[in-house]
Amino acid sequence: SQTIHQWPATLVQPVGSPLSLECTVEGTSNPNLYWYRQAAGRGLQLLFYSVGIGQISSEVPQNLSASRPQDRQFILSSKKLLLSDSGFYLCAWSSIPPNTEAFFGQGTRLTVV
Amino acid sequence: QQPVQSPQAVILREGEDAVINCSSSKALYSVHWYRQKHGEAPVFLMILLKGGEQKGHEKISASFNEKKQQSSLYLTASQLSYSGTYFCGTAQPGGSEKLVFGKGTKLTVNP
Repeated sequence: SQTIHQWPATLVQPVGSPLSLECTVEGTSNPNLYWYRQAAGRGLQLLFYSVGIGQISSEVPQNLSASRPQDRQFILSSKKLLLSDSGFYLCAWSSIPPNTEAFFGQGTRLTVV
Repeated sequence: QQPVQSPQAVILREGEDAVINCSSSKALYSVHWYRQKHGEAPVFLMILLKGGEQKGHEKISASFNEKKQQSSLYLTASQLSYSGTYFCGTAQPGGSEKLVFGKGTKLTVNP
């Protein structure tokens, strides 16, 4: 069965520190991988998506970057966190094209202090 | 490209019905509906792929009007467990593989 793992579940980081969130998928190959961010009380903002290894599409210019070193691994990074980077980060995967259910990880609650 | 959802919020009493709308300015390949409880990951409800397609899930159903580029989610005889934020996600035809979500509709069902 398909599963998606995302960690850590919560993270408190000081302003200016680096960030690395990791997401791995099991039970499927060649998935479309996504990073979404949800600010408090807001919608799901698409940050990055990837249709293959090394292929990253950025939706919103910002302080973050993403990488896909392996087919089922997706990493969200920052060199220096800003207060505005706080939020709930969700990793997800879908088929290509997305004509079946998309699966979400459990999310990472990031607080930048 | 982000779909527009309406209304932004709905408050119901248990047993009442609600409709949530999702519209796009571009042609749609698929429409996904999810429900999210506070602090949790979104949970899949249904996906619609063809114009005019309708699907049902217990007392929750949805329609997809491809011509109007919109979808509606129908919640019938609402239950307390229906409370949460509902998101529609859309993908466009012609090579765009991304799934983009609207800002959500917060549904509150009171006893």
